[in-house]
Amino acid sequence: EAQVTQNPRYLITVTGKKLTVTCSQNMNHEYMSWYRQDPGLGLRQIYYSMNVEVTDKGDVPEGYKVSRKEKRNFPLILESPSPNQTSLYFCASSPLPPLRNYGYTFGSGTRLTVV
Amino acid sequence: GESVGLHLPTLSVQEGDNSIINCAYSNSASDYFIWYKQESGKGPQFIIDIRSNMDKRQGQRVTVLLNKTVKHLSLQIAATQPGDSAVYLCAEGLRGGGGADGLTFGKGTHLIIQP
Repeated sequence: EAQVTQNPRYLITVTGKKLTVTCSQNMNHEYMSWYRQDPGLGLRQIYYSMNVEVTDKGDVPEGYKVSRKEKRNFPLILESPSPNQTSLYFCASSPLPPLRNYGYTFGSGTRLTVV
Repeated sequence: GESVGLHLPTLSVQEGDNSIINCAYSNSASDYFIWYKQESGKGPQFIIDIRSNMDKRQGQRVTVLLNKTVKHLSLQIAATQPGDSAVYLCAEGLRGGGGADGLTFGKGTHLIIQP
């Protein structure tokens, strides 16, 4: 089944403890992206990647890192998580620039709570 | 399930009635628009898209209308069913705009189906 898989689905962590949220897609898509979704703010892009080894900042990149060493994987790294990073996170992928091809296919989300 | 928007506008309709969900977009230069459906605990799923050279586009039970004069987008769902209960997100973008990725999401509308 074609899909975007994120892990974990739920995570509770403490301030300052490094964590990684994994994302993998099996559709051979070039484009991948991370979003966070917060009440009253909607979906906001954190980082995106046009291809292997090519990443760019989105609208809210502060406090996050990403890497794209392989086409299928696009992990999101929080080096020192803080409570304001408590949110619902979505990974997404697209075969072409999203604005030319139906936007993104989204994963099921990761609910992160930082205490 | 996940609560993705504690402050979302809500539309409540009777099962079998038609639903109209509205979206005011922000950038008059945007030339591509997408509607997504987000069910509780899941990521957004593509419903229908429209380009700015069109005023209307129809899919299965759904119609998207675009009014560029007032920067307004609407999604019409015919004969609403219980499975249509979800948060509906509109997204806008400018193809060929700065960077490879420029999809901006609205905050969403929560559609509730009354039996």
